[in-house]
Amino acid sequence: EDQVTQSPEALRLQEGESSSLNCSYTVSGLRGLFWYRQDPGKGPEFLFTLYSAGEEKEKERLKATLTKKESFLHITAPKPEDSATYLCAVRAFDSGYALNFGKGTSLLVTP
Amino acid sequence: GAVVSQHPSRVICKSGTSVKIECRSLDFQATTMFWYRQFPKQSLMLMATSNEGSKATYEQGVEKDKFLINHASLTLSTLTVTSAHPEDSSFYICSAREEFRSYEQYFGPGTRLTVT
Repeated sequence: EDQVTQSPEALRLQEGESSSLNCSYTVSGLRGLFWYRQDPGKGPEFLFTLYSAGEEKEKERLKATLTKKESFLHITAPKPEDSATYLCAVRAFDSGYALNFGKGTSLLVTP
Repeated sequence: GAVVSQHPSRVICKSGTSVKIECRSLDFQATTMFWYRQFPKQSLMLMATSNEGSKATYEQGVEKDKFLINHASLTLSTLTVTSAHPEDSSFYICSAREEFRSYEQYFGPGTRLTVT
């Protein structure tokens, strides 16, 4: 059974304090790993898609990386506006276009 | 681009009544739409996948007679919660996939359903 585990569940950072969020996955055949940002009471906002081990993508202060077992979302010099829940999801070869989500990491960045 | 809207954003209904939630892709044609449910501090759980013009595919454990999904056009899918009960109270989110952006799903803002 496909599984997606995110850690930590919650993370509190000072503004400017860089850190990483982890997404470990078990999937029969990875067709894509996705990162989304979700603000309270809102739908997820697409950040990145990674397809193969070794791939990296960047957007502003965020950088996503992928290995065969896990993905990291690195946040460099975060700002308070980066506070949100970050969701990781995987798409497997045998699941059509459906996504299997982890429970997310709730990030709070304080000034 | 790739904007998905939902209506209503919040709805309160009485137990036993039915509620319809609309999901629209505003600037692209969505060949596939997905409906998710999210409980507080939990992840998104896929309820069903709908393709335009065909019957929805429901995930295991989701009652198809209770959660009616209609994907009548390439820009509109509806979820009707029939005979709602308090345990159906949740955050319902739709997403849409564009034919030529095959892997990304774009999510709507969600609908908060409260059944009293």
